[in-house]
Amino acid sequence: QSVLTQPPSVSGAPGQRVTISCTGRRSNIGAGYDVQWYQQLPGTPPKLLIYGNSNRPSGVPDRFSGSKSGTSASLAITGLQAEDEADYYCQSYDSSLSGVLFGGGTKLTVL
Amino acid sequence: QVQLVQSGAEVKKPGASVKVSCKASGYTFTGHYMHWVRQAPGQGLEWMGWINPNSGDTKYGQKFQGRVTMTRDTSMTTVYMELSRLKSDDTAVYSCARQSYYGSGSYSYYFDYWGQGILVTVSS
Repeated sequence: QSVLTQPPSVSGAPGQRVTISCTGRRSNIGAGYDVQWYQQLPGTPPKLLIYGNSNRPSGVPDRFSGSKSGTSASLAITGLQAEDEADYYCQSYDSSLSGVLFGGGTKLTVL
Repeated sequence: QVQLVQSGAEVKKPGASVKVSCKASGYTFTGHYMHWVRQAPGQGLEWMGWINPNSGDTKYGQKFQGRVTMTRDTSMTTVYMELSRLKSDDTAVYSCARQSYYGSGSYSYYFDYWGQGILVTVSS
């Protein structure tokens, strides 16, 4: 079980909004370490979606947004599209483990 | 353009070691830390550690300490990850990932480029 907890799956219809949560601890997100989000399509390496909790790299649609509060972070996707169907991972740093952490991943299904 | 090209798939027996490579091009090799991340079949991402290609300094995840060694060859702009005493649950895709800073904090970084991944299969 990952130290960063994500729901195993979420789903939504095209055009809808979904959110994916990432719950951490006082040694990682709660300690002020930033959260990144990655999207992984089947058979491909992860792609950076959000960095520094809420920043989008160039080329990432503004349908994707991130936020952080306390020991948790969230990824929101609005205007769901079929191409958004993928696995999503949060990532942060943990001072107790002295290393990088990934969430367990969330599979997004577009209905 | 930035490219991270990894070596080919490996099949190993339990107890053996595997050494995989990641050749970097398109940027200053010594300017970015390189991390290794693995993903077991159908599972999530698991961080293994990093290497500073400039100094050769390394930091390994607690789970892998004593079993993993990361090295680099600056003349070949290549980093290597060797995992010893392999077990069946080490079967996974092993990927290198380039670190880039976005802020002034020591941990204000993300992984912006990834290798294609190498499937390492451990089976008797």
